[in-house]
This record gives sequence, C-alpha cells and structure tokens, in this order.
Amino acid sequence: AQSVTQPDIHITVSEGASLELRCNYSYGATPYLFWYVQSPGQGLQLLLKYFSGDTLVQGIKGFEAEFKRSQSSFNLRKPSVHWSDAAEYFCAVGGGGKLIFGQGTELSVKP
Amino acid sequence: EAGVAQSPRYKIIEKRQSVAFWCNPISGHATLYWYQQILGQGPKLLIQFQNNGVVDDSQLPKDRFSAERLKGVDSTLKIQPAKLEDSAVYLCADRESSSYNEQFFGPGTRLTVL
Repeated sequence: AQSVTQPDIHITVSEGASLELRCNYSYGATPYLFWYVQSPGQGLQLLLKYFSGDTLVQGIKGFEAEFKRSQSSFNLRKPSVHWSDAAEYFCAVGGGGKLIFGQGTELSVKP
Repeated sequence: EAGVAQSPRYKIIEKRQSVAFWCNPISGHATLYWYQQILGQGPKLLIQFQNNGVVDDSQLPKDRFSAERLKGVDSTLKIQPAKLEDSAVYLCADRESSSYNEQFFGPGTRLTVL
C-alpha cells in the first residue's frame, strides 16, 4: 500500500540552528515526491519536488531535500532556520495525478 | 497569475445542517481536487475531477457529501446533513495537465460543526 510516514509530530529548533525533517514513503513505482508547508490559516505551499535526476533538490526559502531510494526517504533540510519558518510541513508522494500526504511535522522556532 | 480561490474561509454550523463550499481553480487547470484535513492530520483526498467528470470519488462519503464541477471550471462541495466529525479544513487544489502531479492549493475553508 502507498503511504507516507513523518515520524516526528513536533520539532522545536533554535533560530539559526540547522533543521532536518524526516519523511519515509512506501510506493510501488518510482515516486514523485513533494514537500509542502502550511502556515496557520493558509493553504499548502510547495517547497520543492523530486521527479527524477539529481537526488538533491533545491527549493524555495533555502530548503533542500535528498531522495534516498535505498532508504525510501526524502528528508527536508535547512542549514539555518528563521523564525518565519515556524509552520506545519507535509511530505507527499504522488503518482497517477494523486497525492498521498504524511501526517505532518509541526515546527516551532525558539528565539 | 491568480491562485486557487475558495469561499467561505470559515463556516460554523449546527449538526444536521447543510453547508456548501465553493472553489475557483486557476484558469486552464483541468484537474480539480477536494481534500479534507482534520486537525493534526495531513490532507485526505475526497474527490478528483478531470474537467467536469469525476475521476475518483472512492473516499467521498456519498451518503452525506456531494460535489460537482459544472462546465469544468468552478466546483462546489456540499455536506448534508453535517456531523460533528465533519469539522475540518476543506482544501481545494488543482493541477495543469502537463505537470507531474504538482498540485496548487487554495487557502481552505475551516468548518466547525457544533
């Protein structure tokens, strides 16, 4: 069955510290992978996507993610977190025009 | 380019009442989705349209939920009658035919059923 697991429900990091949000997926074929961010009261905004090619993808707002097929993972990283990065982050796997989302990781940023 | 528009942004109703949500997708985007996002969870697909035809409604509780997309543009999602467990954010998203599954999301409608 197709699924996405985000093991961390809530993460708190200090402003300026590095960040890694974990995502593991289960998908029968080559996956299309996405990270979305959702600020309170807002819809989902696409941060980055992986379709094929280079396994390290760059996104908006200084985020990057690395696709590791052997580990079925697509972890999101940022070298230095800003207070405005506090939000909910969703990993998703796509295929056939559909997206399956993980349950999300809420990021809090300490001053 | 204008994004996906949804209205209303917030709605509070009593259980057993009916409610409708409206979505206007990005011009030219043929595929439209409705998702339900319960607090603390990721969005769950309710229904997918391609132009004005239904592609997938397997997760739509058809005894109380209905959706239509007349003329292949705007879409409405209706709940009748509402239950307490329908309290959620209802997200509309769309996709252009040439994209690799990338979907664009509206701001959502937050429904509270009392």
